[in-house]
Amino acid sequence: GAVVSQHPSWVICKSGTSVKIECRSLDFQATTMFWYRQFPKQSLMLMATSNEGSKATYEQGVEKDKFLINHASLTLSTLTVTSAHPEDSSFYICSATGTSGRSGYEQFFGPGTRLTVL
Amino acid sequence: GESVGLHLPTLSVQEGDNSIINCAYSNSASDYFIWYKQESGKGPQFIIDIRSNMDKRQGQRVTVLLNKTVKHLSLQIAATQPGDSAVYFCAENIGVGYGKLTFGQGTILTVHP
Repeated sequence: GAVVSQHPSWVICKSGTSVKIECRSLDFQATTMFWYRQFPKQSLMLMATSNEGSKATYEQGVEKDKFLINHASLTLSTLTVTSAHPEDSSFYICSATGTSGRSGYEQFFGPGTRLTVL
Repeated sequence: GESVGLHLPTLSVQEGDNSIINCAYSNSASDYFIWYKQESGKGPQFIIDIRSNMDKRQGQRVTVLLNKTVKHLSLQIAATQPGDSAVYFCAENIGVGYGKLTFGQGTILTVHP
């Protein structure tokens, strides 16, 4: 149980285009989803926290107009990288908490999405 | 072998050895700590957790030690296997039930057959 999926697993796009990444909780209701970015050989950096039905809370330094997050249902959150540039190339990982896990503490992580912007 | 997360981000051990991975966390208000394993190109995988009211917790082949006095966390892996090769991250949680995690730097563990 407590499986989180991401789609696509990898994407290559041209500079200036927008890319949407989906994060789904497959067998539980995710009241909260988190989006992380990870550059090579580095740690995970939290970008934003999204609660179902409300606006996402962005971490300091993360542009909310560039990284659009929508958490429209208890099983789906999307991250859209708008007008992507090569510096946005990274590994994007989502996680979810909700009705499964250890009293709301545990985050279940997706497998990640590798974004390459040419 | 032993690593200090901030100064020695890689740890190489022989198969069968015990591994110790260290982590210094930042916030004395953190009340929940987790160790994750991340293999190349994949998301983090939960290994073991510990709450701030404990100083030791054991799992299968893994033990986590928490020293709140010096804000230090360690992960001990017994009889390390090649399949344990990965990057290991500690993460701290601040705020009961909120779930927001701050990840540490990470340590690359390489296990040689």
